[in-house]
Amino acid sequence: DIVMTQTPLSLSVTPGQPASISCKSSQSLQQSDGATSLYWFLQKPGQSPQLLIYEVSSRFSGLPDRFSGSGSGTDFTLKISRVEAEDVGLYYCMQGKQLPYTFGQGTKLEIK
Amino acid sequence: EVQLAESGGGLVQPGGSLRLSCAASGFTFSNYWMTWVRQAPGKGLEWLANIKQDGSETYYVDSVKGRFTISRDSAKNSLFLQMNRLRVEDTAVYYCARIDLLTGLDFWGLGTLVTVSS
Repeated sequence: DIVMTQTPLSLSVTPGQPASISCKSSQSLQQSDGATSLYWFLQKPGQSPQLLIYEVSSRFSGLPDRFSGSGSGTDFTLKISRVEAEDVGLYYCMQGKQLPYTFGQGTKLEIK
Repeated sequence: EVQLAESGGGLVQPGGSLRLSCAASGFTFSNYWMTWVRQAPGKGLEWLANIKQDGSETYYVDSVKGRFTISRDSAKNSLFLQMNRLRVEDTAVYYCARIDLLTGLDFWGLGTLVTVSS
């Protein structure tokens, strides 16, 4: 199974400041067609997960452009350029290259 | 608007069975792979199973293989998860989600809580 490792596991950010979450996979997530199956989700308190980013860097419908994803191979990053109060919750990366799909442990974002 | 609504959760004794349902609306259900993901209390997300559009292919995580069965009924726009020989460690919120070939697990339901306890 592909192991997904996120860092940090928690971060506290002042509104308006940037935040960054790292996700590393135990194997390359690049598919044979060149696509890379790395996704980011946010689970707000008391809610179900919601898709933020697909294929490393594509923002899902309606996602503000202050969210961005980057990376390749085994190293990936989710960045929030200016954190807002509504961004609190648990952020998960997930690999979809091979079954079983596997998720990172989650990173808890809090507002200072 | 895509909507997924799980039901069927509840309290069950170890060794018991439960059948979860997921009602889909707002999209052409028969065009999409579907999946179940669970989250134990205070824990992270765990993928459980996938099913192809016509139900001809299914895949499971090892921890539920042989105990859980994913199925679907496109006439009813519904996804199911039959859970047998339940264990205490199966206690979790169970989510269904749609799988899009480009965007991945793009829409999720609100989840249904399964508690396995004596």
